[in-house]
Amino acid sequence: EPEVTQTPSHQVTQMGQEVILRCVPISNHLYFYWYRQILGQKVEFLVSFYNNEISEKSEIFDDQFSVERPDGSNFTLKIRSTKLEDSAMYFCASRASEPGVHTFGSGTRLTVV
Amino acid sequence: QKEVEQDPGPLSVPEGAIVSLNCTYSNSAFQYFMWYRQYSRKGPELLMYTYSSGNKEDGRFTAQVDKSSKYISLFIRDSQPSDSATYLCAMKDYGQNFVFGPGTRLSVLP
Repeated sequence: EPEVTQTPSHQVTQMGQEVILRCVPISNHLYFYWYRQILGQKVEFLVSFYNNEISEKSEIFDDQFSVERPDGSNFTLKIRSTKLEDSAMYFCASRASEPGVHTFGSGTRLTVV
Repeated sequence: QKEVEQDPGPLSVPEGAIVSLNCTYSNSAFQYFMWYRQYSRKGPELLMYTYSSGNKEDGRFTAQVDKSSKYISLFIRDSQPSDSATYLCAMKDYGQNFVFGPGTRLSVLP
């Protein structure tokens, strides 16, 4: 069964450093998403991406965040200057045409120290 | 009022029991209703997907949506220890607004 692949599975970074989280969505999917889940809290929408541009973003997705689809397969989330409160699981998701059917990756656990 | 509310549990049931999980919501613009299962330190996995009101059945799982009451349910029949996980309801409008509930932690005891 097709999967969304995320790397790395765990990243530790120092406060103020830049991090790039990587995702390979399912190959025939057209819509891409990043979500965040702080430990013990609910999954929160960050950003959606379609046709090589951001289609929607939440209040969480401020100027410190950016997304990119650098080639035909990868989808990245960059955090420019990490803060302690950025520590969370970050999930990438993708979908084809059906609006509610997101396939999630296993996530990257980001720890900011 | 929170946009999507869900009893966090934990909910413990014996193996073989019928489990009922519920969410309420406040935004009448939601049209797509999903249930995801999440194992510890893993990504959410889609279980059920429903558009608008009605019932949907898939194996041991039944999803119900009552838009007039802004209430959705997931029933699990013949629950198994492998069903132990956190169950997340999620909802979406016609735009990009996709909201998860906080999740209910379920333990099915052998």
